[in-house]
Formats: sequence, C-alpha cells, structure tokens
Amino acid sequence: DGGITQSPKYLFRKEGQNVTLSCEQNLNHDAMYWYRQDPGQGLRLIYYSQIVNDFQKGDIAEGYSVSREKKESFPLTVTSAQKNPTAFYLCASSIGLSNQPQHFGDGTRLSIL
Amino acid sequence: DQQVKQNSPSLSVQEGRISILNCDYTNSMFDYFLWYKKYPAEGPTFLISISSIKDKNEDGRFTVFLNKSAKHLSLHIVPSQPGDSAVYFCAASEGGADGLTFGKGTHLIIQP
Repeated sequence: DGGITQSPKYLFRKEGQNVTLSCEQNLNHDAMYWYRQDPGQGLRLIYYSQIVNDFQKGDIAEGYSVSREKKESFPLTVTSAQKNPTAFYLCASSIGLSNQPQHFGDGTRLSIL
Repeated sequence: DQQVKQNSPSLSVQEGRISILNCDYTNSMFDYFLWYKKYPAEGPTFLISISSIKDKNEDGRFTVFLNKSAKHLSLHIVPSQPGDSAVYFCAASEGGADGLTFGKGTHLIIQP
C-alpha cells in the first residue's frame, strides 16, 4: 500500500530538548512538505523540499530544521529555539508538478512536558 | 494577513440536502485551489481541486465552483451524508510545487 507514514503518533518533549519527527513516503513523490496545525487554525507551512538535497523555508521556519538526503524521507527537527512547539505536525508529499494535490500523513502530536 | 478565508467556522445541514462551503482569497497569484476533508487527529484527505482556467469541476457528489473576479470558491456536496461530517479546509497555491496556503476550516455537521 502506497502512502505517507509519520512516526511517532504522539511525542513528548522536555523543555530545552531537540526532537525529530519522522516522515517517510513510498509514493515516489519528488516534493515533500511539513505543516503545523494549532487548535482552531488552518495548516501553516514550515518547510518544503522539491528535490533531494534541496529545501526551502515556509512561513514559520524559525526554530525548525529539516534534511532531505533521500527521496522517500523528510525528517523535521523541532529545536529548543522553537518557543511554542506544542502542535499537531503534518507531513505531505506531491508529484512535484504544477497543479497537483498534496497528500498527507496522519500527523504527529507533539507536547511539552 | 490571511490570504485564504473561510468565514463560517461551522455549518449544520440536514442529511440529504445540499451543503455549500465557501472560501475567499486575496492573493491574485493563486491559480490552483483545493478542498480537503479532515477528521480529528488524522491528516487531511484530498477531495477535489480546480485550476484557475476553469470555473467548475465535478467529482461524484462534490462540485467546486471558482469565481475569479470575486476571488471566491465554493464546495457543493449533494446529497449530504452523515459521513460528510468533518472539518473542511480550503487551500490555494501559486502553482509549481510550492506549499499550500490554508483557510482555518469549516466544521460541517450533517444532521439526521
């Protein structure tokens, strides 16, 4: 079954710690994305990557970092510099061409202890 | 500054009737628009999309209408079913493979 896998489903972090969220896709998609959702809000773009070894900042990149060493993987690190990291994080992928939809994983909920 | 606006936080519709969800945008560079359906604690599911060269796109019970001059799009669901109860997000793109800009969502409740 092709799809996007995010792990873990729930994640807890102590203040001052970095934490890495996993996102893997087996859809052979070129483009991958990270979004953040807060209660009552829409999704906001953190980072995206259109090709391996390249990525761009989205609207709210401060306090986050990413890597794209493999086509199928796009991990997101939430650093201690992110002042309000508690949120629902969603990973998506797309073919990478114009006017093509993005498809999402089931998300990771990050909470601060 | 919200570039994509969904002004109705919630909408209640009777089963079997038409559900109409609305979305307005301000960025004239948007040329691709999408609707997603989302359940709590799950990722959004892609429903239907429309490019700016069209004014209507249909897929089964779902139809999206685009009015470029008014910078407005709407999603029609006919007939509405209990399983349609969810939060619906409108999203837009300037094209290419850049990220999407989302509205805040409309919670659709289908009443039996």
